[in-house]
Amino acid sequence: DSGVTQTPKHLITATGQRVTLRCSPRSGDLSVYWYQQSLDQGLQFLIQYYNGEERAKGNILERFSAQQFPDLHSELNLSSLELGDSALYFCASSVWELTDTQYFGPGTRLTVL
Amino acid sequence: AQTVTQSQPEMSVQEAETVTLSCTYDTSESNYYLFWYKQPPSRQMILVIRQEAYKQQNATENRFSVNFQKAAKSFSLKISDSQLGDTAMYFCAFMKYNNNDMRFGAGTRLTVKP
Repeated sequence: DSGVTQTPKHLITATGQRVTLRCSPRSGDLSVYWYQQSLDQGLQFLIQYYNGEERAKGNILERFSAQQFPDLHSELNLSSLELGDSALYFCASSVWELTDTQYFGPGTRLTVL
Repeated sequence: AQTVTQSQPEMSVQEAETVTLSCTYDTSESNYYLFWYKQPPSRQMILVIRQEAYKQQNATENRFSVNFQKAAKSFSLKISDSQLGDTAMYFCAFMKYNNNDMRFGAGTRLTVKP
């Protein structure tokens, strides 16, 4: 157990809908990262927040957004969902902002029907 | 752009034997970090080992060790005394210094046979 928690574990929704994935980092960690793991794209970095502020962006679609709250938990919002958004979404956390070992949560499995 | 290549989609090894997983990467950076992550059937991503590029000494963690060849841009993982619990997908990952955009390889599926 890495200490990173993610909810829900599984999510099934329809195309065009909007969902929110939640992540709580390890105690003391200030950075949160979001990743998408899909069959065709593999593991991709989406976005990073550090102490409430966006710090780095990867291959995140405009339909996706994220934020980190004052209590350091983070939410990833996915809207106008498409079949291709079906994937495992991981959250990871680390203590510092840069070049620090990341610890991954168990992931949220999103299925878009 | 940085790319990470794992040329072995699948591998198998007998319990108690040694296996080496390959990883190569492409970068023009001189400072960076390399990682091996393990993803068992539970889907949890577990950090196995980490290597800083400026360190010449190869990292080791118990039964896991790496062979880091900076000039060749190669970063292989050796698992000694393989155990059934080592059965998993193994991902090699690259991260530039001062940049948290971690790039992953496609993964190698390792099966440890009894």
